[in-house]
Amino acid sequence: GIQVEQSPPDLILQEGANSTLRCNFSDSVNNLQWFHQNPWGQLINLFYIPSGTKQNGRLSATTVATERYSLLYISSSQTTDSGVYFCAVEGQGGSEKLVFGKGTKLTVNP
Amino acid sequence: NAGVTQTPKFQVLKTGQSMTLQCAQDMNHEYMSWYRQDPGMGLRLIHYSVGAGITDQGEVPNGYNVSRSTTEDFPLRLLSAAPSQTSVYFCASSYSNRSPLHFGNGTRLTVT
Repeated sequence: GIQVEQSPPDLILQEGANSTLRCNFSDSVNNLQWFHQNPWGQLINLFYIPSGTKQNGRLSATTVATERYSLLYISSSQTTDSGVYFCAVEGQGGSEKLVFGKGTKLTVNP
Repeated sequence: NAGVTQTPKFQVLKTGQSMTLQCAQDMNHEYMSWYRQDPGMGLRLIHYSVGAGITDQGEVPNGYNVSRSTTEDFPLRLLSAAPSQTSVYFCASSYSNRSPLHFGNGTRLTVT
C-alpha cells in the first residue's frame, strides 16, 4: 500500500515564527488531506488538497502530485497552533482508504 | 448540525467483554470510517463504509465488526475485548471518499 512520511517529527517555535511541514508519499494520489489535532485530542480538517495550492488565513498548503509531496505552511504562528499535524492520502489504485502519516508535533512557545 | 457524534467518551472493559462504540452523523454523508490512534502510530483505519449496506476492512480489522444499516449510524463492535485494543477510537465521515473528512471527538477505551 501507499506509504506516507511526514517531517520533521517534532518542531518547536517561538510565537510569530513561520514554519513548513512536509508530507512525502510513495505513489500517485487521488486524495490528500491535512489535519490538526489540538492538545485536547480533537481532529480538525485543514485542507483537502490532492493537487495545487490553497490558503486559509495564516495557513496554506501546496501539493505537487507529480513529485509526490505536499507542504503545509504556517505563518506568524500562535500558541493555539500547537498540536500534531497529520497528512493523509489515498492512492490512485481506488482503494477508498485514507492512510495517515505519523504526524508532526508542533509546539509554539509564547 | 451536531456533526459526528461518538459515544461514550470513555470506557473501561475487562478482557473478554464485548461492547459497541456508537457513531452518528447528521450531515447526510455517505462515507464513514473508524480509526484507532495509538502513541507513535498515527491513525490506522479499522473499517469503512461507502454507503448504507456496504462495509469493508481497513488496515487493522481483526477483533472488530461493523455494520451500516442507515446512512447516519456506523457502530463499531468489539466482540471479545483484549488489552491490545486499548486505544483512542475515532469515527469520521465525509460526503464521499474524495471530500473533506470530519472527525468525532473520540472514545478512549481501556481494556484491563
